[in-house]
Amino acid sequence: EVQLVESGGGLVQPGGSLRLSCAASGFTFSDHYMDWVRQAPGKGLEWVGRTRNKANSYTTEYAASVKGRFTISRDDSKNSLYLQMNSLKTEDTAVYYCARVAVGALHFDYWGQGTLVTVSS
Amino acid sequence: QSALTQPRSVSGSPGQSVTISCTGTSSDVGGYNYVSWYQQHPGKAPKLMIYDVSKRPSGVPDRFSGSKSGNTASLTISGLQAEDEADYYCCSYAGSSVVFGGGTKLTVL
Repeated sequence: EVQLVESGGGLVQPGGSLRLSCAASGFTFSDHYMDWVRQAPGKGLEWVGRTRNKANSYTTEYAASVKGRFTISRDDSKNSLYLQMNSLKTEDTAVYYCARVAVGALHFDYWGQGTLVTVSS
Repeated sequence: QSALTQPRSVSGSPGQSVTISCTGTSSDVGGYNYVSWYQQHPGKAPKLMIYDVSKRPSGVPDRFSGSKSGNTASLTISGLQAEDEADYYCCSYAGSSVVFGGGTKLTVL
């Protein structure tokens, strides 16, 4: 069974940093692109960014709203995905989901349950 | 990259059909056949309902169908059931990025 479990969320002050993790199981993690998607309270889904697989040199892409502040990484040996968030703003407050991109495709076939990040003083 | 445009809400009675539109540009919806749709119930993670414009994952009822014309994609739900009441989001590949629609709340009357 495919499972994605996010952790690391919490309350952080504006300007602070936080690192989210996503533990994957039930599939060959190294084969997949992995993304982060967020959802502000009462709002819609917003794509945050992507890390491709080893075959594609682990390249990353980011939404304009987080580029230069957020960094996505992965450790295939630990079946884990990470999101390092720096210079946090109040508008970064959201539930952060990790999502698996289907192999050879460009849609999200599995999602984690999300972890809440609150940026507030 | 601007969000795709979806109606804020749609409604229908049990057994009826509803269609949710998703309008983008030639740089996203119109440029690729990589439109997907996600269902989200309150407090839950999104669930894939349609991918590659019109393909259904296993386990998704055939009451759900997708299509695309130009820069607009559509999700049609036929034979509405109470459990279909949820938020629906379209999503499109946009080159080096991904863009979501603003979401549509479906109410089953």
